Amino acid sequence: QQPVQSPQAVILREGEDAVINCSSSKALYSVHWYRQKHGEAPVFLMILLKGGEQKGHEKISASFNEKKQQSSLYLTASQLSYSGTYFCGTVIISNFGNEKLTFGTGTRLTIIP
Amino acid sequence: GAGVSQSPSNKVTEKGKDVELRCDPISGHTALYWYRQRLGQGLEFLIYFQGNSAPDKSGLPSDRFSAERTGESVSTLTIQRTQQEDSAVYLCASSLFPENTEAFFGQGTRLTVV
Repeated sequence: QQPVQSPQAVILREGEDAVINCSSSKALYSVHWYRQKHGEAPVFLMILLKGGEQKGHEKISASFNEKKQQSSLYLTASQLSYSGTYFCGTVIISNFGNEKLTFGTGTRLTIIP
Repeated sequence: GAGVSQSPSNKVTEKGKDVELRCDPISGHTALYWYRQRLGQGLEFLIYFQGNSAPDKSGLPSDRFSAERTGESVSTLTIQRTQQEDSAVYLCASSLFPENTEAFFGQGTRLTVV
């Protein structure tokens, strides 16, 4: 039930764009995106709840497809501060009848000057 | 407090000893998660508490691992007879409504088993 993220790692020059994908074998209630810098706790970026939803700021945004099984995170005109590991988290109804937040394996993004 | 608090921040223990890790969630948050993160790896789900419901223990790797939560407050993760493969950062997170609000993470406990 763990979501699958791709790519595993990306190296960009400052100003370039990147797309990180997150997919699930089951329909999702929600998708969460987090960024973790080395030695720090993950920090929340955004949540998507509705199929077809797009969200975010001008340079960091995300989409949630209509079937609610895939999400993509878009990073445009990347800055050095975007470096870190990006995790998607997904919520489905568990066997216990309660939602739980499960994370993908992460995408390591390195921005070079 | 203002955020999720975990203690200790670092713990070095000898193989075979028991350890207890503590998490103080944000007040009012009904959902509490424990994750394990090995060096350079992802966030491995361990256990999930939601209000008064039975916890979801499906991620606990062995019967040496257990966790408790007192009401909607403090949680303790206990690892018995620690092994070297237990070495990792253990992260706790809490959220108000688990499915549609953000999870706030603590700074983690770095556990080293020697």
